[in-house]
Amino acid sequence: KQEVTQIPAALSVPEGENLVLNCSFTDSAIYNLQWFRQDPGKGLTSLLLIQSSQREQTSGRLNASLDKSSGRSTLYIAASQPGDSATYLCAVRRIATGANSKLTFGKGITLSVRP
Amino acid sequence: KAGVTQTPRYLIKTRGQQVTLSCSPISGHRSVSWYQQTPGQGLQFLFEYFSETQRNKGNFPGRFSGRQFSNSRSEMNVSTLELGDSALYLCASKLAGAETQYFGPGTRLLVL
Repeated sequence: KQEVTQIPAALSVPEGENLVLNCSFTDSAIYNLQWFRQDPGKGLTSLLLIQSSQREQTSGRLNASLDKSSGRSTLYIAASQPGDSATYLCAVRRIATGANSKLTFGKGITLSVRP
Repeated sequence: KAGVTQTPRYLIKTRGQQVTLSCSPISGHRSVSWYQQTPGQGLQFLFEYFSETQRNKGNFPGRFSGRQFSNSRSEMNVSTLELGDSALYLCASKLAGAETQYFGPGTRLLVL
């Protein structure tokens, strides 16, 4: 059974700091891994998706990496801003479609960026 | 283009009652998935529908059910509500063959 872990559960940093959020998963037989952002009381917004054959993806100040063999992914946020304050979740998908293609989520890391 | 909409946004029920939640996907999206989010368990997959057929199901009791209509709108129903069913219920839609899911704002259910 796939388990996704995100530690720590919460993180507080001063504005401008570069930071790394970690995600680990137990079953390396994944199809892809996604990072999401969730603002309080809101739904999820997809940030980056990495296919199993890829090593990293970039979007603006965000960079996500994937190391399947070690079961780890990181989300790097450059020059953090107060607007980055949110909960960041990672999720893995085992296969493309059909049975067992569901997303398995970590519990998320709540990030607070202090002005 | 309108995003995923969920109704109602907030709901209060008592134990033993049943509830129906609604999700309207983005126009053109035929896949709809439902998730339950609680502080203790995090986000857990409930089920996925595609073209009116349940394609995938999570590990929830039979009290949780769903369906999808020909216009891709989806409903989920929870019967005989328990206190532990209090949660944020999220639905997400996506295009066939695509990977990116678009989430709605959720329905927050409180069971008293």
